[in-house]
Amino acid sequence: SQTIHQWPATLVQPVGSPLSLECTVEGTSNPNLYWYRQAAGRGLQLLFYSVGIGQISSEVPQNLSASRPQDRQFILSSKKLLLSDSGFYLCAWKSTLKNYGYTFGSGTRLTVV
Amino acid sequence: GQQVMQIPQYQHVQEGEDFTTYCNSSTTLSNIQWYKQRPGGHPVFLIQLVKSGEVKKQKRLTFQFGEAKKNSSLHITATQTTDVGTYFCAGQRAAGNKLTFGGGTRVLVKP
Repeated sequence: SQTIHQWPATLVQPVGSPLSLECTVEGTSNPNLYWYRQAAGRGLQLLFYSVGIGQISSEVPQNLSASRPQDRQFILSSKKLLLSDSGFYLCAWKSTLKNYGYTFGSGTRLTVV
Repeated sequence: GQQVMQIPQYQHVQEGEDFTTYCNSSTTLSNIQWYKQRPGGHPVFLIQLVKSGEVKKQKRLTFQFGEAKKNSSLHITATQTTDVGTYFCAGQRAAGNKLTFGGGTRVLVKP
């Protein structure tokens, strides 16, 4: 079966510290992968997407970066976190099934203090 | 750029009543998708609409895609406490393109 794993579930980090969030997908190959951020009580903002290894498209200029070192691995990083980086980070995968949408990971709640 | 707007932002519903949430795109869409996010959870895919004027039903939920493929609606009948959550619509301008999410309608059910 096709599953998506995201960790950690929650994270509290001080301002200026680095960040690394990991997302892996199982049961599929060459998936389109996405990183979204959701501020409290708000909608989903697309941060990055990737259609293959090493291929990253950035949607919003910001303090974050993404990498895809392996086919089913997508990483979100920051060298120095800002207070404004706090939010709910969601990794998503586009199913290859016809008429099926995105499958989201369980998300990481990041609080920068 | 493409914008997707949802109204209302909040919906307080008495248990057993019906309600409708609306989604409007600034551009013509290839398809529109609906997601539900329970409090504290992640968005879960509900349905995708592709054809102009398409109507799909999932039990008490009825989804409609407008004739011009720029708007959509979600109607829930006989609301239950399990319907609590935020409902997002998301549109694609072309199949395979990025998905743009609306701001969501947060539904609260009064027992």
